[in-house]
Amino acid sequence: NAGVMQNPRHLVRRRGQEARLRCSPMKGHSHVYWYRQLPEEGLKFMVYLQKENIIDESGMPKERFSAEFPKEGPSILRIQQVVRGDSAAYFCASSDPDGISPTIYDEQFFGPGTRLTVL
Amino acid sequence: QQQVKQSPQSLIVQKGGISIINCAYENTAFDYFPWYQQFPGKGPALLIAIRPDVSEKKEGRFTISFNKSAKQFSLHIMDSQPGDSATYFCAAHGVYSGAGSYQLTFGKGTKLSVIP
Repeated sequence: NAGVMQNPRHLVRRRGQEARLRCSPMKGHSHVYWYRQLPEEGLKFMVYLQKENIIDESGMPKERFSAEFPKEGPSILRIQQVVRGDSAAYFCASSDPDGISPTIYDEQFFGPGTRLTVL
Repeated sequence: QQQVKQSPQSLIVQKGGISIINCAYENTAFDYFPWYQQFPGKGPALLIAIRPDVSEKKEGRFTISFNKSAKQFSLHIMDSQPGDSATYFCAAHGVYSGAGSYQLTFGKGTKLSVIP
């Protein structure tokens, strides 16, 4: 069973460009979380999605950032008009709750991350 | 109120020694406390977790001690090995956003180096 996959692993963008980060959850998982890790910091929650629905985006910056998890295909985190402060590692996690709704005890499995560098 | 404070920032331990990492929280809505281990270039991986209805949980060389009244918890690594060298994150999980989601709140991490 392949783990959570993220690509690209490294992404370099110039200021003002767009960055697209992809996350394929573990097989059978329908819940996806995105986190951002700044240098020397812990991971910060950004957004929680289920298939075709954004459930909680309280950690997402109000502008330039968006996320989706379509019925088919990977989850996408999109950053428009990147700035230097967006340079960070972006991690995706997935979970597979036993029931319809997740619980806080459901393990979140993390991918290897995408390291975004904005020049 | 949603923070988890972790210390120390870095830790050097001799092989065979005990590594101790401490965390504290304020939000009483937190109800699950996992620890994650992260190696360079990799994503965090769940190491061990505890619920607040117990004061201690042990898995092999790893033990979590939990003090609910003080709102503190700690990770102890017994007989530390060079292969344990990694960054360790404490985290807390609970429903408080009102949106029905379950966000992990992470500490800032402790970089552990175990020297031979």
